[in-house]
Amino acid sequence: GIQVEQSPPDLILQEGANSTLRCNFSDSVNNLQWFHQNPWGQLINLFYIPSGTKQNGRLSATTVATERYSLLYISSSQTTDSGVYFCAVESWETSGSRLTFGEGTQLTVNP
Amino acid sequence: KAGVTQTPRYLIKTRGQQVTLSCSPISGHRSVSWYQQTPGQGLQFLFEYFSETQRNKGNFPGRFSGRQFSNSRSEMNVSTLELGDSALYLCASSLVSGRDEKLFFGSGTQLSVL
Repeated sequence: GIQVEQSPPDLILQEGANSTLRCNFSDSVNNLQWFHQNPWGQLINLFYIPSGTKQNGRLSATTVATERYSLLYISSSQTTDSGVYFCAVESWETSGSRLTFGEGTQLTVNP
Repeated sequence: KAGVTQTPRYLIKTRGQQVTLSCSPISGHRSVSWYQQTPGQGLQFLFEYFSETQRNKGNFPGRFSGRQFSNSRSEMNVSTLELGDSALYLCASSLVSGRDEKLFFGSGTQLSVL
């Protein structure tokens, strides 16, 4: 099956700093989503981005499908950005809906 | 519009028992997927239901089963519980079942098996 690798596994920032999270995947995908898991366990969908670039406030994401990677940018980080960020993909071979998740990046933003 | 609702939020069971978890999708969504999250294995796909039919199944033993009702609500059942079944079980819904669908997750059910 498709493999998903996220880096870095852990990231500690001071409030106001910028960061880049990376997601590499092993096969062609037709679905790629970024999620933020809050301290209560809920996964919040940040972006649906199988290709191209999107922006939502201080967050933006870019997926280069031909090179099999995606980047999540967080600018001017806030303490509320803390949590685990997951990249999840679905390969072209899948019918229906079936996401494969990376292991996540644990982000800590200190005041 | 209400989000994905999972009940119960917490559950404590003992080995050998069975458990049923419930998920109500966002109104109008017809696809429901289930995922298991553990510290060791991360997030793993369990199964997906669309229009009361199982469309996809992950690599879990037959003790894990599910179903979907005509109103799109879904239940998953785990029989003969094992200690390793302790996990956060997450349900997600999407409008239809397809490759370009954005998933919306519930808050999960935290299951502890003693």
